[in-house]
Amino acid sequence: AQSVTQPDIHITVSEGASLELRCNYSYGATPYLFWYVQSPGQGLQLLLKYFSGDTLVQGIKGFEAEFKRSQSSFNLRKPSVHWSDAAEYFCAVASNYGGSQGNLIFGKGTKLSVKP
Amino acid sequence: EPEVTQTPSHQVTQMGQEVILRCVPISNHLYFYWYRQILGQKVEFLVSFYNNEISEKSEIFDDQFSVERPDGSNFTLKIRSTKLEDSAMYFCASRERTGRTGELFFGEGSRLTVL
Repeated sequence: AQSVTQPDIHITVSEGASLELRCNYSYGATPYLFWYVQSPGQGLQLLLKYFSGDTLVQGIKGFEAEFKRSQSSFNLRKPSVHWSDAAEYFCAVASNYGGSQGNLIFGKGTKLSVKP
Repeated sequence: EPEVTQTPSHQVTQMGQEVILRCVPISNHLYFYWYRQILGQKVEFLVSFYNNEISEKSEIFDDQFSVERPDGSNFTLKIRSTKLEDSAMYFCASRERTGRTGELFFGEGSRLTVL
């Protein structure tokens, strides 16, 4: 069965520091991978996605993620964190995104706190 | 920017009561979804809906749950007889099309508390 693991429940970084949020997935074939962000009181917003091709994908708000098949990972990175990045981040995988189902399997999320 | 809207933002109900959560998807979207997140747990897929019928549902989506698109704009999730374990944040999502470019847009969620 497909699954997504986000090993870090809560991370605190200083403003201006770099950030890496970890995501590992379990899926037999080439997965479709996503990172979503949820700010307090907001819905889930798509940061970036990977379907195929270049393993380094760029997203919104200065985020990027790298797909590493050998490690079954899709870690999210940002070189310099801003206070407004404080939110909860969810990694997700989809097996049949091309179909009408669009069923995403989410990780438990990583809460990011940013200290001044 | 078009967005998915959900009402109510928070509902408190007694166990055994019926609850209807409402969603207005983005107007030109054709595919609709409900997800839920129990506090401290993962966001979980419940059901997908297309062309006025369910296209996929998870094992969570049992006979107590139903979905409907009653009037071409709203998309509702009904829980017939709520249980304590139904307490969660429920997210509606919609999608214009399938395939790689068909991004899911999520609403802000409806928090359901069952007492």
